Amino acid sequence: SQQGEEDPQALSIQEGENATMNCSYKTSINNLQWYRQNSGRGLVHLILIRSNEREKHSGRLRVTLDTSKKSSSLLITASRAADTASYFCAPPNQAGTALIFGKGTTLSVSS
Amino acid sequence: NAGVTQTPKFQVLKTGQSMTLQCAQDMNHNSMYWYRQDPGMGLRLIYYSASEGTTDKGEVPNGYNVSRLNKREFSLRLESAAPSQTSVYFCASRRDESRAEQFFGPGTRLTVL
Repeated sequence: SQQGEEDPQALSIQEGENATMNCSYKTSINNLQWYRQNSGRGLVHLILIRSNEREKHSGRLRVTLDTSKKSSSLLITASRAADTASYFCAPPNQAGTALIFGKGTTLSVSS
Repeated sequence: NAGVTQTPKFQVLKTGQSMTLQCAQDMNHNSMYWYRQDPGMGLRLIYYSASEGTTDKGEVPNGYNVSRLNKREFSLRLESAAPSQTSVYFCASRRDESRAEQFFGPGTRLTVL
């Protein structure tokens, strides 16, 4: 069964606006990753947040993790057209041997 | 470094045909993975190999077999293709258990008629 579930499924914004995507998962984890997928391409790792971190930044990306609520969020600030892609959260499976992906959030940024 | 490479990029099969999807990585990673992605869905794990010489089933292994040929290469075989196996297949690798980040190949788009 899938662990990572993203919300919303689709998001359309204008360039310069912020985009927030949420993720919920089911079991205890020691880290959670976010990936981006441009149309028709492979996934690219964006950021990893550990269970003892509540917030992490990388450039225009800000990720939060609330282990008590089993949820995470990805914020992209000052969005650009090049940010148009699908975004997936990926908690590990219970054995820690693989990642579990949800359906993702499809972000469209128009100029 | 080429990273993770996959061949072929596209393939069309008829029901019942067999084929092997190839994956290779040049990053000296220990772990390798095969996922499938169906329209509007996330990636589902088919098989993985935590290290050379080991393979384990993932979420959707039925109809597939894998071979970890050596540290670099991890192949996925469809013995008798079915239309339900129409999908985009991604291979990924990870350095080892100390590093969680996975690196993905560009994918193979497979259509089974």
